Amino acid sequence: RKEVEQDPGPFNVPEGATVAFNCTYSNSASQSFFWYRQDCRKEPKLLMSVYSSGNEDGRFTAQLNRASQYISLLIRDSKLSDSATYLCVVIVSGYSTLTFGKGTMLLVSP
Amino acid sequence: GAGVSQSPSNKVTEKGKDVELRCDPISGHTALYWYRQRLGQGLEFLIYFQGNSAPDKSGLPSDRFSAERTGESVSTLTIQRTQQEDSAVYLCASSPWTGTNTEAFFGQGTRLTVV
Repeated sequence: RKEVEQDPGPFNVPEGATVAFNCTYSNSASQSFFWYRQDCRKEPKLLMSVYSSGNEDGRFTAQLNRASQYISLLIRDSKLSDSATYLCVVIVSGYSTLTFGKGTMLLVSP
Repeated sequence: GAGVSQSPSNKVTEKGKDVELRCDPISGHTALYWYRQRLGQGLEFLIYFQGNSAPDKSGLPSDRFSAERTGESVSTLTIQRTQQEDSAVYLCASSPWTGTNTEAFFGQGTRLTVV
């Protein structure tokens, strides 16, 4: 089983739609969780950290479910500029490597 | 510049040659990572440096790959006897790695093409 798994997509949605991605992780000792965004042929950039209580940043909401070992990202009112690959990232306690999922591609169309 | 800087941005090399890739992290960042990303694929962890600790080399794919870091500054990734499957974008990232701030900042990468 891969350490961090994501549905590769692509998710094709119209502008204004709400879309959600999940990411599952295999190591129950995982302690820190993030969503990164990667535009085509660009480097990844932090979108948001994921906190145990869940957190929101504008149109973006991230949640953590430790019992089921997954994190989620919800995007409301999708914009064309949201088109990108969304990477789930996990840091395991006692280790410091950032473990990346392979990403979920989102395509928002007019 | 305030960001992570990588050089060269592009490198074309002949199969069998050695290449050296450079990463200048953000000043003060104790953690430094190297990743590889093949076309259309996810990020593949290569090596991680954290302060004066022994580096985590568990992601290096073969003994042709090595990396060094001078203190908490520049890092170089060396690939010996390059092969065509080494063609990829090599990404470097650094992080302040304080108790609550573990955000990793990426450089723009070195695009390596082995012909």
